[in-house]
Amino acid sequence: GAGVSQTPSNKVTEKGKYVELRCDPISGHTALYWYRQSLGQGPEFLIYFQGTGAADDSGLPNDRFFAVRPEGSVSTLKIQRTERGDSAVYLCASSTGSQSSYNEQFFGPGTRLTVL
Amino acid sequence: AQKVTQAQTEISVVEKEDVTLDCVYETRDTTYYLFWYKQPPSGELVFLIRRNSFDEQNEISGRYSWNFQKSTSSFNFTITASQVVDSAVYFCALSEVNTGTASKLTFGTGTRLQVTL
Repeated sequence: GAGVSQTPSNKVTEKGKYVELRCDPISGHTALYWYRQSLGQGPEFLIYFQGTGAADDSGLPNDRFFAVRPEGSVSTLKIQRTERGDSAVYLCASSTGSQSSYNEQFFGPGTRLTVL
Repeated sequence: AQKVTQAQTEISVVEKEDVTLDCVYETRDTTYYLFWYKQPPSGELVFLIRRNSFDEQNEISGRYSWNFQKSTSSFNFTITASQVVDSAVYFCALSEVNTGTASKLTFGTGTRLQVTL
């Protein structure tokens, strides 16, 4: 079946602009996660959803970052007033939400964001 | 706070050699999960294994094996008879266990494995 998909694959924007990154999880997966990966580093947690609600948003770096998942499937990560330091690969993952496969997260290909 | 340390930044081996990737973790939780992921040059993270903190049995899957030692807070990963296709960055990760069925992963900085002919 289809894996996690993310669009766009690449996004170049100018400092101060607004961007939206989209994630389509694996069908039927109830949990959805956003991570950010800078060059040479491991993924860094941003936020995760259980259904439509944000269960943990402790990783969002500041109030310029916001994410939604209005129907419990597709999620959008929104970044306002982008800064050069926001440049990174933004990864989305999903998991079934079942105890038997607790937290086995399957990742998408990522969106590479470059802020000029 | 949770922390994962992968002290080996980069390892180079010749094909058919065995190689072990180290992972040391820190957590105050008594119950937790440990993971390994592979990130090939294409960039997409691939899930390899999940291990519950209660289960200290070693696991083998083909050429891959994992050694979990709670006493030393380590979860090391060994590739036997390495192949060029094993070249990738490997990440160790840790998650808490909460009342729900999901929680965030805390990743290490990764170990880049280069396998040459």
